Amino acid sequence: DARVTQTPRHKVTEMGQEVTMRCQPILGHNTVFWYRQTMMQGLELLAYFRNRAPLDDSGMPKDRFSAEMPDATLATLKIQPSEPRDSAVYFCASGLVPGGTEAFFGQGTRLTVV
Amino acid sequence: QQQVKQSPQSLIVQKGGISIINCAYENTAFDYFPWYQQFPGKGPALLIAIRPDVSEKKEGRFTISFNKSAKQFSLHIMDSQPGDSATYFCAASPFFGGGTRLMVKP
Repeated sequence: DARVTQTPRHKVTEMGQEVTMRCQPILGHNTVFWYRQTMMQGLELLAYFRNRAPLDDSGMPKDRFSAEMPDATLATLKIQPSEPRDSAVYFCASGLVPGGTEAFFGQGTRLTVV
Repeated sequence: QQQVKQSPQSLIVQKGGISIINCAYENTAFDYFPWYQQFPGKGPALLIAIRPDVSEKKEGRFTISFNKSAKQFSLHIMDSQPGDSATYFCAASPFFGGGTRLMVKP
């Protein structure tokens, strides 16, 4: 059963702390997306990678957010330092381009910064 | 800048009715227009998708209508059911609209 796996599912942290969210894309997928979902902003695209290279990270606050793909089986999204306004659900999705452009989503990481 | 605009934000439909959600985009370079369905606590899941060389696509009770010249597309849910109650997102991949919360009343 191929699926995108995100860890942790829930994270509560204090303002100023570093947060790392991890994503294991579906094996064989070459494109990985990071989205942030809030009630007010819907699904915002933060960054996406193809073949591990960043294609677009213009949606990401550069001063505190960073996204990487250390290898084909792991994508990370880091926030340092975290702020209460970062509280949201962060989704990772993966897909295969070309050949298909559907993005398969993980279950998300619910982040609360207090 | 919002790449994809979606309306309405919320929609209430009676069981058996038609639900209609509309989206518009600006960038003509987009070439894949999926619709996603999301239930609480879950990630979005693909419902139906269309490419700009097609004006309509139907899968069961779900139909996408696509107007390339107007840069608009819409989702029609026929015979809406309470189980369809969810949040729906259009996308001009990889950018998503703001979402529509649909409630189908029994």
